[in-house]
Amino acid sequence: AQSVAQPEDQVNVAEGNPLTVKCTYSVSGNPYLFWYVQYPNRGLQFLLKYITGDNLVKGSYGFEAEFNKSQTSFHLKKPSALVSDSALYFCAVRAPYGNNRLAFGKGNQVVVIP
Amino acid sequence: EPEVTQTPSHQVTQMGQEVILRCVPISNHLYFYWYRQILGQKVEFLVSFYNNEISEKSEIFDDQFSVERPDGSNFTLKIRSTKLEDSAMYFCASRARDEFLTHFGPGTRLTVT
Repeated sequence: AQSVAQPEDQVNVAEGNPLTVKCTYSVSGNPYLFWYVQYPNRGLQFLLKYITGDNLVKGSYGFEAEFNKSQTSFHLKKPSALVSDSALYFCAVRAPYGNNRLAFGKGNQVVVIP
Repeated sequence: EPEVTQTPSHQVTQMGQEVILRCVPISNHLYFYWYRQILGQKVEFLVSFYNNEISEKSEIFDDQFSVERPDGSNFTLKIRSTKLEDSAMYFCASRARDEFLTHFGPGTRLTVT
C-alpha cells in the first residue's frame, strides 16, 4: 500500500527566506504525487502535482516541487516565503492503478515569521 | 470553475445519533471519495465509490458507515450510530475518469457530544 512520510512537524522560516517542506513516499510503480495546502478552518486546496515528465513541477502561488525517483522524494519549495504562506501542507501519493485513493502524509505546519 | 460542495459546514450531534453528510461532486466526475481528518491529524481515506458501488474502503469504514448516490447528483455519507471518536472534518472528493487530480470539497466538521 502507498504511504507518505513528512518528517517534520513544523517548519519555521523568516519572511523572504527560502521555504522547503520535505516529503518521501512509498508506492508500487510510478507514483502520482500531489501537494495540498490547508488554511485554518478551510478545505484542502491543490498546489501542484507530478505525474510524468520534467522532475521539477511548478504550481500555484510560486511553489514548486522536485520529484527525485532515486530518493523517493517530492519536496515542496518556494524561493521566497510570504507570511500568507503560513498554513498546513500535505503531501499525497497515488498509485497509477486501482481505484486511486490518495495516501496523505501527516502534514507540516509552516510558520512564516515576519 | 466547478467545485465540490458539501453541506452542512458544521454538524453537531449526540452520541448514538445517525448523521448524513451531503456532497455534490463535480458534475462530469465518475469517482467519488470520502476522507476524514481528526483534529490535528492527517487526512485518512474512508471509501471510494465508482459505478454505483463501493470500490474500496479502509478499515475505518466499518458497518456503521454507508455511502449512497441517491439521485445521480448527491453523494452522501451516513454514520448510523455516532461515537465520540467520529468527531472529525469529513471531506468529500471527486475525480474525472481521465484526470489525475482529485478535487476536494470544503469539508463538514462533525462534532459528536
